[in-house]
Amino acid sequence: AQSVTQLGSHVSVSEGALVLLRCNYSSSVPPYLFWYVQYPNQGLQLLLKYTTGATLVKGINGFEAEFKKSETSFHLTKPSAHMSDAAEYFCAVRGNFGNEKLTFGTGTRLTIIP
Amino acid sequence: EPEVTQTPSHQVTQMGQEVILRCVPISNHLYFYWYRQILGQKVEFLVSFYNNEISEKSEIFDDQFSVERPDGSNFTLKIRSTKLEDSAMYFCASSEARATQYFGPGTRLLVL
Repeated sequence: AQSVTQLGSHVSVSEGALVLLRCNYSSSVPPYLFWYVQYPNQGLQLLLKYTTGATLVKGINGFEAEFKKSETSFHLTKPSAHMSDAAEYFCAVRGNFGNEKLTFGTGTRLTIIP
Repeated sequence: EPEVTQTPSHQVTQMGQEVILRCVPISNHLYFYWYRQILGQKVEFLVSFYNNEISEKSEIFDDQFSVERPDGSNFTLKIRSTKLEDSAMYFCASSEARATQYFGPGTRLLVL
């Protein structure tokens, strides 16, 4: 069984500041981890993913995340926030077999302050 | 770039009516999923489908729900008798084996 905890349902950062969105997971098998972004009234867009190999993964729009097994974490970062980053961000986990379902966190709404 | 498509984008229905939500997955994908997101809540898994049968379903996916792949391209979710609490955004997703799930834009269902 898997679960995801996203600390902070709302995060506000100033434009140009560091973005840090936290995600901790629980999984009974080696996890695949994902970050999805949801812009207002739109669907879920994949930002980045970790499956195996390099623990620091880079995604679209300048985002990256680091898989830390010892901390069971997969935090999302971006060095410099842009107004267009305002959205809801979801962390998700699944097992590493075939067609396993994604288990999502409750999401973090990111607000960018001009 | 290939993408998952869903129709309709919005559906309003009366309680007790049947609705069918349609999805066209990415053409070479083998695994198909439905998720839903009640307004303000997290995305929840409903069902996964592979090789023309359900692979896994959640406790939400009761007898009122069914899925079907009626032809080589469409994947549908049917709700037989809608309830107020079925109002949500419904997302279809598809994936190749052991790979990323790609989501469609969603169908917003409102049950009155």
